[in-house]
Amino acid sequence: GAVVSQHPSWVICKSGTSVKIECRSLDFQATTMFWYRQFPKQSLMLMATSNEGSKATYEQGVEKDKFLINHASLTLSTLTVTSAHPEDSSFYICSARDNRGAGTEAFFGQGTRLTVV
Amino acid sequence: GENVEQHPSTLSVQEGDSAVIKCTYSDSASNYFPWYKQELGKGPQLIIDIRSNVGEKKDQRIAVTLNKTAKHFSLHITETQPEDSAVYFCAASTETGGFKTIFGAGTRLFVKA
Repeated sequence: GAVVSQHPSWVICKSGTSVKIECRSLDFQATTMFWYRQFPKQSLMLMATSNEGSKATYEQGVEKDKFLINHASLTLSTLTVTSAHPEDSSFYICSARDNRGAGTEAFFGQGTRLTVV
Repeated sequence: GENVEQHPSTLSVQEGDSAVIKCTYSDSASNYFPWYKQELGKGPQLIIDIRSNVGEKKDQRIAVTLNKTAKHFSLHITETQPEDSAVYFCAASTETGGFKTIFGAGTRLFVKA
């Protein structure tokens, strides 16, 4: 299957700082990317959907000013956690798909574990 | 919006036995149902998927069934092996929703040797 690379795989930051997570599609063009958040022993919760060149659509309860999403190219989307606090510590996962093809599968990155201290 | 329920939350089987995980979904417009396996500290990996125009699909030891009328779909793993131990998630997505994927709560599968 197609490869989605997420970077970094883990990051520790101080409270009040911002952290950027990158999601790249390596061998296909991702017209749509999704960002998820997963707390320990819980399911993946969709945070937002971003289409290349458009503003992201956030799920209810997700603060768009806190979780900034940029999808400026067909192979890269970034999630910036601004003014991070310990409660933002979580596993963040992106997925990507090419809407132009017949397939419906979305390919997942390996995740980023964020720890805010 | 879509809601996906998954049962059981934990499943323990003996090596060689079968494992069945069941899910229901709420949005009748959902038309794509993937199943993911997630190992500790990693992203989900697609193991099998089924589209709404198909009732059953099999890939070696893994099979998925879909009942659109009842909005049920199930994952069947036969001849389980210790390396099958992981968390399994069902999911549903809808073309009209931009194919955003809504996940079930997950099933932690333990295969005892």
